[in-house]
Amino acid sequence: AQKVTQAQTEISVVEKEDVTLDCVYETRDTTYYLFWYKQPPSGELVFLIRRNSFDEQNEISGRYSWNFQKSTSSFNFTITASQVVDSAVYFCALSGYGNNRLAFGKGNQVVVIP
Amino acid sequence: SQTIHQWPATLVQPVGSPLSLECTVEGTSNPNLYWYRQAAGRGLQLLFYSVGIGQISSEVPQNLSASRPQDRQFILSSKKLLLSDSGFYLCAWSGRQGANSPLHFGNGTRLTVT
Repeated sequence: AQKVTQAQTEISVVEKEDVTLDCVYETRDTTYYLFWYKQPPSGELVFLIRRNSFDEQNEISGRYSWNFQKSTSSFNFTITASQVVDSAVYFCALSGYGNNRLAFGKGNQVVVIP
Repeated sequence: SQTIHQWPATLVQPVGSPLSLECTVEGTSNPNLYWYRQAAGRGLQLLFYSVGIGQISSEVPQNLSASRPQDRQFILSSKKLLLSDSGFYLCAWSGRQGANSPLHFGNGTRLTVT
């Protein structure tokens, strides 16, 4: 079975501070994919990033960065210089190879205070 | 470009009443389709997925059912709603190009069963 754990439920930061969201996953698959989604107050989920289990290269995209460490089964996400528009629930998700049935974590509520 | 439409946006139904939520996708053909439910304070739970017309897989036993009468139409139904069916229902689609294509979500339906 696949499992995703996001320990922190709500995180409040002051605007321009950095915020890091932790994600720990469990899977028996040797090939798998990890995702981060953003859910703003309007409700729809917005795809942010996908990583496969063979690609541990970390990436920076604008103010977003990701830290994938297979050795610790973690796929953490950082928002640099947070803005009020970053206020949302962020979900980490996992799926096996060729299987789009995502297992989601419970999400992190990020509140950016102006 | 591809778009996904889901309606209604909100719905209040009494216990024991029927349910029908509809989702349609435009701009793509033969998508994989999904129904997820998000209960308060929890992550997203996959309810049903479909790889083609008339092909439905259920992930969780419940009093809900799904149908796919057309390639880009996915319907979630219930004959008699329970209080526990309250939640935020999200439809999603994914393409078939490459392994583990990201899911793209609709705006969701907030269902309250009273």
